[in-house]
Amino acid sequence: QVTLKESGPGMLQPSKTLSLTCSFSGFSLSTSGMVVSWIRQPSGKSLEWLAAIDWDGDKYYNPSLKSRLTVSKDTSNTQVFLKITSVDIADTATYYCARSPYYYSSPFDYWGQGVMVTVSS
Amino acid sequence: DIQMTQSPASLSASLEEIVTITCQASQDIGNWLSWYQQKPGKSPQLLIYGATSLADGVPSRFSGSRSGTQYSLKISRLQVEDIGIYYCLQAYSAPWTFGGGTKLELK
Repeated sequence: QVTLKESGPGMLQPSKTLSLTCSFSGFSLSTSGMVVSWIRQPSGKSLEWLAAIDWDGDKYYNPSLKSRLTVSKDTSNTQVFLKITSVDIADTATYYCARSPYYYSSPFDYWGQGVMVTVSS
Repeated sequence: DIQMTQSPASLSASLEEIVTITCQASQDIGNWLSWYQQKPGKSPQLLIYGATSLADGVPSRFSGSRSGTQYSLKISRLQVEDIGIYYCLQAYSAPWTFGGGTKLELK
């Protein structure tokens, strides 16, 4: 059974660094073709793809946020991390991680439940 | 970035009615288009991938089609459980981009 679950601080202040963790089971990020992405959704708005990391450790970022994003994975290939530096109120959103099982162009077939992050002073 | 223009933004329909939602891509994306359903407070769920293929466990009343750079999601007989927000996603080239969403409500 494939599951993903995001975790994060809940709330943080502007200018801080946001650290998120996606813990998953039922698959391994070491499997050829496997990709895990981060996607966010401000309340009442659409979805925005942020970053992805693949089975080989290659990383892709949304150019609109690239300078602030860092995606990484753990050595056991069961967790993916996302750091966003210099957060602003505009970074307030629900953050999801999702799996693409057959390279980058395959759909997001499993999603985590999401973690809500509020940036506020 | 590839822009995905989704319409309508909201839609009110009756039970058993046929519903169609469309996404217009700003350039050719082939069949790298998927559709997702999101219910309140939940994460999106995959409905259609490869523009026309039904995801596992999705009722057959859902279908996807493509005409050039226009993609459509059709619900053949609307059910109560179909209420939610629908999004398209292009995965042809990074950054992957979503449509603005269609909020489907019962009339």
